[in-house]
Amino acid sequence: NAGVTQTPKFQVLKTGQSMTLQCAQDMNHEYMSWYRQDPGMGLRLIHYSVGAGITDQGEVPNGYNVSRSTTEDFPLRLLSAAPSQTSVYFCASSLTGENTEAFFGQGTRLTVV
Amino acid sequence: GNSVTQMEGPVTLSEEAFLTINCTYTATGYPSLFWYVQYPGEGLQLLLKATKADDKGSNKGFEATYRKETTSFHLEKGSVQVSDSAVYFCALGSSGGGADGLTFGKGTHLIIQP
Repeated sequence: NAGVTQTPKFQVLKTGQSMTLQCAQDMNHEYMSWYRQDPGMGLRLIHYSVGAGITDQGEVPNGYNVSRSTTEDFPLRLLSAAPSQTSVYFCASSLTGENTEAFFGQGTRLTVV
Repeated sequence: GNSVTQMEGPVTLSEEAFLTINCTYTATGYPSLFWYVQYPGEGLQLLLKATKADDKGSNKGFEATYRKETTSFHLEKGSVQVSDSAVYFCALGSSGGGADGLTFGKGTHLIIQP
């Protein structure tokens, strides 16, 4: 019963480096999304996807890219890391994007120095 | 656009005390409402939900009622335990046909002392 799996759990990057946060789900959910969690800010939507081959921007998309080549996987790419991207990142999936329960991964704690 | 306002805390209570965490929302249409809980070092997990006005969601002794007239979804528990210490997020689903996911409040950090 894996649910939503995120890797890595922790990562330290230098400013300007790039990296990919991995997210996979085994529930055959159409909808997947990425959030970042910052103190006092709650969770803010970065990007989302309503199905394979379809992605769209959320509230805070700048500096991040996503792709959805399969139903299962939804990686998040940081193109050139900045200290402002220090955060905890959560991937989530749900049957649809409307009014259905979201299942969350364990999170990736990213520090950019 | 949609928004959620909740008390941020930290809220500190003694074991067996009564808990209320207030949540109000602004939304178009008739979104579902959710409470998620985040234990230390973990991701969020659904605590309870309500899909229409006057619905009551309940789970693990927690309850919340969807009040359309006051646009509220307050979380309550009659007797809290130390194990309830966590961060609680109120959230609302998209409405009006949008697929832009959940809108979260900023979270309420709850600390229960023995």
